Amino acid sequence: AQKVTQAQTEISVVEKEDVTLDCVYETRDTTYYLFWYKQPPSGELVFLIRRNSFDEQNEISGRYSWNFQKSTSSFNFTITASQVVDSAVYFCALILNTGNQFYFGTGTSLTVIP
Amino acid sequence: DVKVTQSSRYLVKRTGEKVFLECVQDMDHENMFWYRQDPGLGLRLIYFSYDVKMKEKGDIPEGYSVSREKKERFSLILESASTNQTSMYLCASSWGTGGNTGELFFGEGSRLTVL
Repeated sequence: AQKVTQAQTEISVVEKEDVTLDCVYETRDTTYYLFWYKQPPSGELVFLIRRNSFDEQNEISGRYSWNFQKSTSSFNFTITASQVVDSAVYFCALILNTGNQFYFGTGTSLTVIP
Repeated sequence: DVKVTQSSRYLVKRTGEKVFLECVQDMDHENMFWYRQDPGLGLRLIYFSYDVKMKEKGDIPEGYSVSREKKERFSLILESASTNQTSMYLCASSWGTGGNTGELFFGEGSRLTVL
């Protein structure tokens, strides 16, 4: 069975601090895809990144970076120099190469305090 | 601008009423999904469909049914609403299968309150 765990339920940081959101997943499949989504207060989930299980290269996009480590089954997300607009709920998700179903974590609510 | 549109942002229904939640996507996606989002529980899959007239149960299908008569439209039906179905309902769509699946595109959500 597949499982995605986001152990951090809520995080608060002061603006300009760096913050890392943890994501740990479980699967016996060797080919899978990992995602991060952002859900701002408006409610609509927004896609941030997709990463396949064969690509462990870290990715950076502006203030966002992702650290994929297969050895620890983790796909962590770091926001550098956080801003108030980063306040949202962030979800990590997994899909297998052989399936259509996405498995979501329970989300991490990030509050950036001005 | 690609879009997933949910018919109602907010609904208030009474226990026992039949409830229809409609979702339309304009991206010609094969796959459509209905999720329920509750505090502390994240997103839980109710049903999904990978083709017209096809449906698959997700993790929590009890008390729900779905209909997909056209590719662009996926309806969630609560035959007899109960108070424990008060929740935020999210519709999503995606293209492809497994490794060829693109990311999910989500609607804005429908917040249902059952009194």
